[in-house]
Amino acid sequence: DQQVKQNSPSLSVQEGRISILNCDYTNSMFDYFLWYKKYPAEGPTFLISISSIKDKNEDGRFTVFLNKSAKHLSLHIVPSQPGDSAVYFCAAVDTGRRALTFGSGTRLQVQP
Amino acid sequence: NAGVMQNPRHLVRRRGQEARLRCSPMKGHSHVYWYRQLPEEGLKFMVYLQKENIIDESGMPKERFSAEFPKEGPSILRIQQVVRGDSAAYFCASSPPEVHYGYTFGSGTRLTVV
Repeated sequence: DQQVKQNSPSLSVQEGRISILNCDYTNSMFDYFLWYKKYPAEGPTFLISISSIKDKNEDGRFTVFLNKSAKHLSLHIVPSQPGDSAVYFCAAVDTGRRALTFGSGTRLQVQP
Repeated sequence: NAGVMQNPRHLVRRRGQEARLRCSPMKGHSHVYWYRQLPEEGLKFMVYLQKENIIDESGMPKERFSAEFPKEGPSILRIQQVVRGDSAAYFCASSPPEVHYGYTFGSGTRLTVV
């Protein structure tokens, strides 16, 4: 039972355009959400997070949006750069615990 | 300040052997987490430890897998009598004592069972 779903295995965008990565969750106990970026042969790197009491969090080129009623979050990268090419994982946590539940990832390719 | 250090990076074991994966957390981090990534899947939580204590092992298989985080030294994930299905990338993460979810991950150990 996948509690965190990333339905797009891959995404390709042109350099300078917006990348939008989507994530859905089913567990209503989740109250904190994160995005990680992963390059091959490396561990995931924390990018940005959002608490369930907010609907938007911005950090430079990265913005995460949360729609609690739809149980949906998205990561916007503007403008996209070739160095952003990586696998992006959405993760969620029930803050009563510390275990992260990850989605299966979306491979982003930014074309120069 | 070194990051989370995992070794070995690659480990090959024959079926039935034991695998020991080591994780040294970042300096000042007293919480360690182990995750496993199977091919084409996301990371799956296995276990959460503090020094000398297992806090949450809800993701650990019931048999053959164990983890420890002793007072001195790295955290160890131990897999006894490995099978082909144990082949995966195993990632360790650490965090400071205060609640913070942007864990720092190590580069992982890729276990191959032949």
